[in-house]
Amino acid sequence: DVKVTQSSRYLVKRTGEKVFLECVQDMDHENMFWYRQDPGLGLRLIYFSYDVKMKEKGDIPEGYSVSREKKERFSLILESASTNQTSMYLCASSFVYTEAFFGQGTRLTVV
Amino acid sequence: AQRVTQPEKLLSVFKGAPVELKCNYSYSGSPELFWYVQYSRQRLQLLLRHISRESIKGFTADLNKGETSFHLKKPFAQEEDSAMYYCALRGANNAGNMLTFGGGTRLMVKP
Repeated sequence: DVKVTQSSRYLVKRTGEKVFLECVQDMDHENMFWYRQDPGLGLRLIYFSYDVKMKEKGDIPEGYSVSREKKERFSLILESASTNQTSMYLCASSFVYTEAFFGQGTRLTVV
Repeated sequence: AQRVTQPEKLLSVFKGAPVELKCNYSYSGSPELFWYVQYSRQRLQLLLRHISRESIKGFTADLNKGETSFHLKKPFAQEEDSAMYYCALRGANNAGNMLTFGGGTRLMVKP
């Protein structure tokens, strides 16, 4: 059974804080993704990674960075959290050209 | 650039009625299309993919390259089909395996 695990279900952070969201997968997938999910806007891709230390920007990378030092772990970093980054964040992973498996999501609130 | 459009944010039908959730895409190459579903308080999961051409939970979807559409259909809706549905596109080119989602359609099946 594929497992994609996000480190936190709920987070509350203050404006200006540096925030780390962690994601771990146990299926040796090459690809890992970070999305944010907002009502009416669907899932918007922030960044994805196709290999260790490799990354590509998605549709909304501004204000975010990522790190992938190990194949199983993909971190999303909010350099200086702002209230407009309050959202549900979803991590996913996949092999090349196969279905993506999703984590349970992290609901981040920035106050 | 790849883009997925789901024109309906909400679709409400009665139990036993036919359902069609619309999905249109924009992509210059040969895409791979998916439908994902998110039931209440569950993680996002794959419903079906166009290359497998199978029916899952009574749902089918046909890729129409001429109309650039991948509509999801079910002849008789059930209350347990109530969920959020997302259409997704994976591009097969040098942009990598970027997986792009539409805005989602909430399906409500009334008794």
